[in-house]
Amino acid sequence: DAGVIQSPRHEVTEMGQEVTLRCKPISGHDYLFWYRQTMMRGLELLIYFNNNVPIDDSGMPEDRFSAKMPNASFSTLKIQPSEPRDSAVYFCASSFRTGWGNEQFFGPGTRLTVL
Amino acid sequence: AQTVTQSQPEMSVQEAETVTLSCTYDTSENNYYLFWYKQPPSRQMILVIRQEAYKQQNATENRFSVNFQKAAKSFSLKISDSQLGDTAMYFCALTEGGKLIFGQGTELSVKP
Repeated sequence: DAGVIQSPRHEVTEMGQEVTLRCKPISGHDYLFWYRQTMMRGLELLIYFNNNVPIDDSGMPEDRFSAKMPNASFSTLKIQPSEPRDSAVYFCASSFRTGWGNEQFFGPGTRLTVL
Repeated sequence: AQTVTQSQPEMSVQEAETVTLSCTYDTSENNYYLFWYKQPPSRQMILVIRQEAYKQQNATENRFSVNFQKAAKSFSLKISDSQLGDTAMYFCALTEGGKLIFGQGTELSVKP
């Protein structure tokens, strides 16, 4: 298996633009997580899905952020409009049958820079 | 709220020596899991070791072992025979339902 795939690996955009980050989880995994990593706040969970259904989006910072999972093999995280404070590395992770004791497999991350 | 604290922002160790990274946590759950993840400069997050709270035996994975003290809510990582490839950020994490709560990380440098 190719592991969790994220695209793009790097994104540079200007303030006010729409940004879409993409994730393909490992085949057969039924949980998908979006994390954000910054120097100030560390690694924080934004939202997670189970069987394509959003379970907990309490970490989504504000209405500018939205996430979808239209099918078991694809998810997007959208920021509209983007702001400089959104600059961070965004990770997607997937796991099989919850993250309780099962390993979450992380993608390589997308480094987002908002100018 | 559940929290994870890593009090050592940076550490260094000589190659082939042993180093211990500290982690404390707080949770009201009785059953939970703890993890150590490694993030090398490539920024890929890699699971190092996991511990189930209801198991008293400390987990071991080759050169990596943990000292799990449930009553003290402490979960330290010991790396034996340190190698240059162990240079990375190390994150301690606690499960909360299906979510992982991460500590702030410890940056470990292994020196030749």
